[in-house]
Amino acid sequence: AQSVTQLDSQVPVFEEAPVELRCNYSSSVSVYLFWYVQYPNQGLQLLLKYLSGSTLVESINGFEAEFNKSQTSFHLRKPSVHISDTAEYFCAVIHGSGNTGKLIFGQGTTLQVKP
Amino acid sequence: DAGVTQSPTHLIKTRGQQVTLRCSPISGHKSVSWYQQVLGQGPQFIFQYYEKEERGRGNFPDRFSARQFPNYSSELNVNALLLGDSALYLCASSLWGPALQEQYFGPGTRLTVT
Repeated sequence: AQSVTQLDSQVPVFEEAPVELRCNYSSSVSVYLFWYVQYPNQGLQLLLKYLSGSTLVESINGFEAEFNKSQTSFHLRKPSVHISDTAEYFCAVIHGSGNTGKLIFGQGTTLQVKP
Repeated sequence: DAGVTQSPTHLIKTRGQQVTLRCSPISGHKSVSWYQQVLGQGPQFIFQYYEKEERGRGNFPDRFSARQFPNYSSELNVNALLLGDSALYLCASSLWGPALQEQYFGPGTRLTVT
């Protein structure tokens, strides 16, 4: 079965420190990869996506993720986090077998930024 | 421009009752998908609709149904509610074709079944 694994359920980190949130997926076909962020009591916001082309993708607020096909990973990184980055982060995949649009999500990683 | 809107924001029902949740997509988006997010877990795909037709269904019982209207808004219905149906129900809209992958989520409807 197709799946997404987020390797850490919680990641505590101090403000201005670097962070990496890990994501692995299982697939034997082409995939589209996403990171969504969810702030408390809110819906999901698209943070960044990999559809094709450059394997390194960036968001407007300093996050980046790298698609690694050989390791089937799409880890999210930020060199210096802020208190406002505290949220739940979800890695998701759409398998590129037609216009399904079915997002498969990981279990989520809670990023806790401490002052 | 308005984003995806959902109503109601919160809902409390008792076991056995029926509930209808509503979603209005972003203007110009013709595809709507529904997801269930149980507390502490990632969202699970329930349905996808495009041009009023069901285009995808997740692993949910027949108690769950949905429809899409000519204006592309959508309703999700859940019959015979169970305690385990308590969750945040998210609606997402997107364009069709290659842009289908870019889905935009609404704030969700929080359903509590007692």
